[in-house]
Amino acid sequence: GAGVSQTPSNKVTEKGKYVELRCDPISGHTALYWYRQSLGQGPEFLIYFQGTGAADDSGLPNDRFFAVRPEGSVSTLKIQRTERGDSAVYLCASSFPGSGANVLTFGAGSRLTVL
Amino acid sequence: GQQLNQSPQSMFIQEGEDVSMNCTSSSIFNTWLWYKQDPGEGPVLLIALYKAGELTSNGRLTAQFGITRKDSFLNISASIPSDVGIYFCAGLGLMKTSYDKVIFGPGTSLSVIP
Repeated sequence: GAGVSQTPSNKVTEKGKYVELRCDPISGHTALYWYRQSLGQGPEFLIYFQGTGAADDSGLPNDRFFAVRPEGSVSTLKIQRTERGDSAVYLCASSFPGSGANVLTFGAGSRLTVL
Repeated sequence: GQQLNQSPQSMFIQEGEDVSMNCTSSSIFNTWLWYKQDPGEGPVLLIALYKAGELTSNGRLTAQFGITRKDSFLNISASIPSDVGIYFCAGLGLMKTSYDKVIFGPGTSLSVIP
């Protein structure tokens, strides 16, 4: 597509539920990033994929968070047993490494609210 | 871990004024990026800097990559109402690695009074 698409744009769930957030990157972009942004703060790195593999998952806060990118395109961020502290905007970005810019193009984000 | 600091945290300026904001780091980066974020949107890249000392302009925006590789500044000249938003600096690529992890600062919120 023309840009990075994220769905859903808004998700309200109850504490303890399971949530999946989807990211559809720009076609041809091999790198995909997930960030979490809390109110009034900058995006916080979660995980980075190069192709199908997670090149760096050091930002995932705990084992309730997991992300996949099985075919090297669409990625899903999965959160188990959600907690109120998981409430944030989850941003996805993609880039084409080697272009000289490593420019991250962001989606509009998925706003997660855990009640 | 790596941490970026931005100052000021927020700014209120009159339309037409020039703006200056900066970003400092406890770590050295190979690349500095400046992004702007509007409400309900993801950050959008404004300027990318790749070499220490580099000064780059994009319209009314000018940014510099500090000589120490631990800081950068962004200037906006003759501000207009659409400059309102949150400006983030970001660092990429620790020295001696091919890391692609992009670390963001906490942001500078800019408000422009017409």
